Parts: sequence; C-alpha cells; structure tokens
Amino acid sequence: QVQLVESGGGVVQPGRSLRLSCAASGFTFRNYAMHWVRQAPGKGLEWVAAISYDVSQEYYADSVKGRFTISRDNPKNTLYLQMNSLRAEDTAVYYCAREMYSSSWNHIFDYWGQGTLVTVSS
Amino acid sequence: EIVLTQSPATLSLSPGESATLSCRASQSVSNYLAWYQQKPGQAPRLLIYDASNRATGIPARFSGSGSGTDFSLTISSLEPEDFAVYYCQQRINWPITFGQGTRLEIK
Repeated sequence: QVQLVESGGGVVQPGRSLRLSCAASGFTFRNYAMHWVRQAPGKGLEWVAAISYDVSQEYYADSVKGRFTISRDNPKNTLYLQMNSLRAEDTAVYYCAREMYSSSWNHIFDYWGQGTLVTVSS
Repeated sequence: EIVLTQSPATLSLSPGESATLSCRASQSVSNYLAWYQQKPGQAPRLLIYDASNRATGIPARFSGSGSGTDFSLTISSLEPEDFAVYYCQQRINWPITFGQGTRLEIK
C-alpha cells in the first residue's frame, strides 16, 4: 500500500535552517510528481512546493520562493524540503503529497503523509 | 493567483440531514476543482476531483458539481464520521490554491 512518512520537523530558531524528508513506499516513486503542503496551527492548507517526477521542474509558493528548495532522490524513494532563513510564519505541519496520475502534472493529491511539525521560535 | 472562497465557514447539521458546501473561484477553473476532507489530527483525504469524480473508496453519499467559478459538494444523509473540515482546491494554474475551509459540525 502507498505510504508517505515525513520526518525532520522540530523546533528551530528564526533565521536557521531545517531539512524535511518524506520516505515513499508502495508505489513507483520515480513516476510521480510530488508536493509539499503546509498547515499553520488552526489554519487552512497552503501549497508550498512541487517537483516533477523526473526532477526537471520545480514550483514554489511566493511565500517560500528563494528560501525553500524541493528535491528528490528517486533511487532512495525520498522527497526533501530544504528550508532556509526560517521565519515564525513558517510554523506549520508540513505534509508531503503524491499526485494521482503518473508521468504528468495533474495536481490531484491522492495520498498524503501524516505530517511533521515545524516550529520556528526563539 | 486564483482565490477560492468557501461558504459557509461553519455548517451545523444533524446526522441524517443533507449538507451542501460551496466553493467560488475568483476566475474560471473549468472543472479542475477537488474537494478534501480533514479530521482533527489527520492528513487531508481526497474526496472529489475534477468537480464531480469520486476518489477511490469514497461513499456515494458524497457528490460534487459545478464548473467555471461555482462549485458545490453535497453530502446526503450525514453520517457521524462526516463531521470534519472540507477544503476545495484548484489545479488549473500555479500556484495551486485551497479554499479556507468549511467546518461541518454536529448540531
């Protein structure tokens, strides 16, 4: 069965960095575009970043552009989010999500991880 | 950026009743709209994609409709497990955007 397991969250000071990981299993990871979506405490969902199945394309929300980098290691079945220059407003649960169809963008999120909490605080 | 506005913010109903949730887009998204359900402490779950297609394993009491800028999610005969927060999401343009959510609570 499809599983997405995030890790790497924690408490970090403003201005510091953190790298999140999402370990995928139960499907052919290299065939699917992947995304990060976050949710601030008590708030709604905010799309953060996306990477194509073949690593050729990346997209970012304006709120994180220039500070966050999405990447993937297809042989290791792992998605990453490198977060630099963190701010208090980046505090959220970060989910990785898989697109529904393989080998093309479709932006329908059919599987989600359980999320990892990032708290930016001094 | 396409803004999705959901209404109402909160809907209070009883089990067995029918619920209709609305999502309005700031510009046409054709039929490229999805609905997700989120329960406390859980990840979102895909319910409906492309306005009216039920995702795998979603009960038939969930249905979606609409196109262009106005969309609805209808839940017929509410079950206790249906009380949750519901989000719409558009996929026609970058950046991908979500509505602010509708909380469906037990009356």
